[in-house]
Amino acid sequence: EADIYQTPRYLVIGTGKKITLECSQTMGHDKMYWYQQDPGMELHLIHYSYGVNSTEKGDLSSESTVSRIRTEHFPLTLESARPSHTSQYLCASSEKRGIGETQYFGPGTRLLVL
Amino acid sequence: GIQVEQSPPDLILQEGANSTLRCNFSDSVNNLQWFHQNPWGQLINLFYIPSGTKQNGRLSATTVATERYSLLYISSSQTTDSGVYFCAVETGANNLFFGTGTRLTVIP
Repeated sequence: EADIYQTPRYLVIGTGKKITLECSQTMGHDKMYWYQQDPGMELHLIHYSYGVNSTEKGDLSSESTVSRIRTEHFPLTLESARPSHTSQYLCASSEKRGIGETQYFGPGTRLLVL
Repeated sequence: GIQVEQSPPDLILQEGANSTLRCNFSDSVNNLQWFHQNPWGQLINLFYIPSGTKQNGRLSATTVATERYSLLYISSSQTTDSGVYFCAVETGANNLFFGTGTRLTVIP
């Protein structure tokens, strides 16, 4: 059973505010990910981490930043939110299975920037 | 980068009907996963299936890696099966690339 948590689940915020989306997992997974998903569309990888002190940019350019100070925690920060940041943000972590990885997803954070 | 195409984009079924969802990918992959995203946005891993066939209850999946496609079968569909089904593939970079999804609506 996968245990990965995201807070807040919903956030409505004004333009220019700084926000941090939290993601935590209790499975001891080394690799973690952030995806951005617009309604009805596919997921796009924006950040990932191989482990503590590792952060990498994903396939979709994003103005957000991430940090990985602890294995279980992978927060995403927007320094100055804009309406174009309105989207759903999904956090995931993965375990090794053979040569591939099974990813487990959190419930997501729906962000609306006014 | 790798292209992942899913078909059909939308599917409406009567409860109890069977369906097949398809995922085509443009390059060799290390991994393929099927996910179900429920109406509340939660993604659930259905299958980890880089090759071969797996079954889990009313769901089964087959991946033919040499021909670069995977199929997800849903039998005796239920209204709780509604949502979006995503195929995602992993290449040598060990990151998942998602398809555009199939939106399934099961009506009573």
